[in-house]
Amino acid sequence: NAGVTQTPKFQVLKTGQSMTLQCAQDMNHEYMSWYRQDPGMGLRLIHYSVGAGITDQGEVPNGYNVSRSTTEDFPLRLLSAAPSQTSVYFCASSYRSGSAGELFFGEGSRLTVL
Amino acid sequence: SQKIEQNSEALNIQEGKTATLTCNYTNYSPAYLQWYRQDPGRGPVFLLLIRENEKEKRKERLKVTFDTTLKQSLFHITASQPADSATYLCALVGGSGNTGKLIFGQGTTLQVKP
Repeated sequence: NAGVTQTPKFQVLKTGQSMTLQCAQDMNHEYMSWYRQDPGMGLRLIHYSVGAGITDQGEVPNGYNVSRSTTEDFPLRLLSAAPSQTSVYFCASSYRSGSAGELFFGEGSRLTVL
Repeated sequence: SQKIEQNSEALNIQEGKTATLTCNYTNYSPAYLQWYRQDPGRGPVFLLLIRENEKEKRKERLKVTFDTTLKQSLFHITASQPADSATYLCALVGGSGNTGKLIFGQGTTLQVKP
């Protein structure tokens, strides 16, 4: 099992560009989520999904879109990148949504917006 | 507003001593609380989960307590080793039911000196 795989690991964008961060898991987990991590701010939840076709907003959803067409994949789209979106992004999955499910994290995607 | 607070100052201790990290929360009534370890440049890794009806949980050299009256969890590492040096994050479920969202504190960095 590869676990949770994120691509790309590093990306530099210019303000206004769009891009998609990819996340895939091979554990048949129903729950997937995206966090961003900034110095001194900890991990903040962007969007999450409790199953294919179902997504919801987290703490900081503005500027990001998600979709969940399959159990395995949960891409995060930046529509028009801004310098405030410079961060490290983590995708995580859990076998069960919400209740007592430990999260399995990917290795992160470091995004710089110039 | 809802808050999860961990000591933002790094904790420096001598090898062999017990490290104690604190997680305080306000305006939450979590059903359970989790602790994660994060090494530089890596994704967080799950360590322990404790439920609201459990006072204490142990795993090898790790011990977690959960006091719902004080709204506090303590994380202890006994006989600490330099390899225990990392950032430790607490997390709890915000929201309700099976669509609850796991929300993280900002983490406390532990440095164990030989």
